[in-house]
Amino acid sequence: EPEVTQTPSHQVTQMGQEVILRCVPISNHLYFYWYRQILGQKVEFLVSFYNNEISEKSEIFDDQFSVERPDGSNFTLKIRSTKLEDSAMYFCASNGQGNQPQHFGDGTRLSIL
Amino acid sequence: DQQVKQNSPSLSVQEGRISILNCDYTNSMFDYFLWYKKYPAEGPTFLISISSIKDKNEDGRFTVFLNKSAKHLSLHIVPSQPGDSAVYFCAASDGGGTSYGKLTFGQGTILTVHP
Repeated sequence: EPEVTQTPSHQVTQMGQEVILRCVPISNHLYFYWYRQILGQKVEFLVSFYNNEISEKSEIFDDQFSVERPDGSNFTLKIRSTKLEDSAMYFCASNGQGNQPQHFGDGTRLSIL
Repeated sequence: DQQVKQNSPSLSVQEGRISILNCDYTNSMFDYFLWYKKYPAEGPTFLISISSIKDKNEDGRFTVFLNKSAKHLSLHIVPSQPGDSAVYFCAASDGGGTSYGKLTFGQGTILTVHP
């Protein structure tokens, strides 16, 4: 069964550094998402992406965050200047249409020191 | 953000019995609801969904019930198996509105099925 893959599984970064989290969505999917889960808290929506542009973003997704689909397969989340509070699990998801079940990757654990 | 709430942090059931997981929501614009299962160190895995035009959807051992007037949904697992032990998340989206595709999650319920 096709799956969403995320790399790396764990990223450790110094505060203030830039980090790029990578995702390969399911190949025929058109809608892409990033969510995060801070330890002990809910899974929170960050951003949705369709047709090479952001469809919606949450309040969390400020100017430090950006997303890109640099080629036909990858979908990336960049955090320009990381803060301690960015430490969380980041999940990528995709679906074929906006109102179909989203399929999630196994996440990247981001640790900011 | 308390739009989706799972009030039971944990549930423990015996193998072979029914597991009932509950979820409440407050946003009347939600029209699509999903249940996900999550094991440690893995991402959420889609289990079953229901559209607001239905009140029940069944897939094998899993059945989701939706009560729109009470803004309540539940997931029934019958019979429960030890492999069902995981965290279960309820999620909702407003597919017909401006938040197309965005999922709002509950806090999760840890289900433990004892042999």
